Amino acid sequence: QKEVEQNSGPLSVPEGAIASLNCTYSDRVSQSFFWYRQYSGKSPELIMSIYSNGDKEDGRFTAQLNKASQYVSLLIRDSQPSDSATYLCAVNSGGYQKVTFGTGTKLQVIP
Amino acid sequence: DTEVTQTPKHLVMGMTNKKSLKCEQHMGHRAMYWYKQKAKKPPELMFVYSYEKLSINESVPSRFSPECPNSSLLNLHLHALQPEDSALYLCASSQDTLASEQFFGPGTRLTVL
Repeated sequence: QKEVEQNSGPLSVPEGAIASLNCTYSDRVSQSFFWYRQYSGKSPELIMSIYSNGDKEDGRFTAQLNKASQYVSLLIRDSQPSDSATYLCAVNSGGYQKVTFGTGTKLQVIP
Repeated sequence: DTEVTQTPKHLVMGMTNKKSLKCEQHMGHRAMYWYKQKAKKPPELMFVYSYEKLSINESVPSRFSPECPNSSLLNLHLHALQPEDSALYLCASSQDTLASEQFFGPGTRLTVL
């Protein structure tokens, strides 16, 4: 059973701080990694994708991938109250037609 | 246009009703998905269509029947549902099914009475 694990939180950070969200996965052949943000009652919104080891930055968001450690993370710099949401990690394994979602981490940014 | 649309936004139906959920995308994507999401849980894959052919059915009960009339449209036909089927039903699309980013529609909130 291929698994994607996340700490359910809530992760509370003060406004302006860096929020660090972590995700581990069990399938060593996984090739594609995604972070989705989901506000309560809304659908998931893709915010980052990463395919190779290292860091990928987009605005205040940085995704980090370490395939050797089977670990992917999302950093949110200068966190804002509007970043308060559940963040879902999703992993696609090579040759498979679907992604496996983690259970999500709830982030709370305190003003 | 990077939008996936879904109708209706909300649906309330009885256990004997027949209804359909609709999904549309105009991004030229060749893969489309139906997910079911219960509160505080991640999306749960139901069906995958690849190039208008059903490629994955995650052992979904037959009271859910998917249909892909063309590359832009995806339907989910509902019949004789149970109250436990109440959930947010999400449609997504991706360029293809391998290692592709999936983009979600806003979802249909379904309540079965």
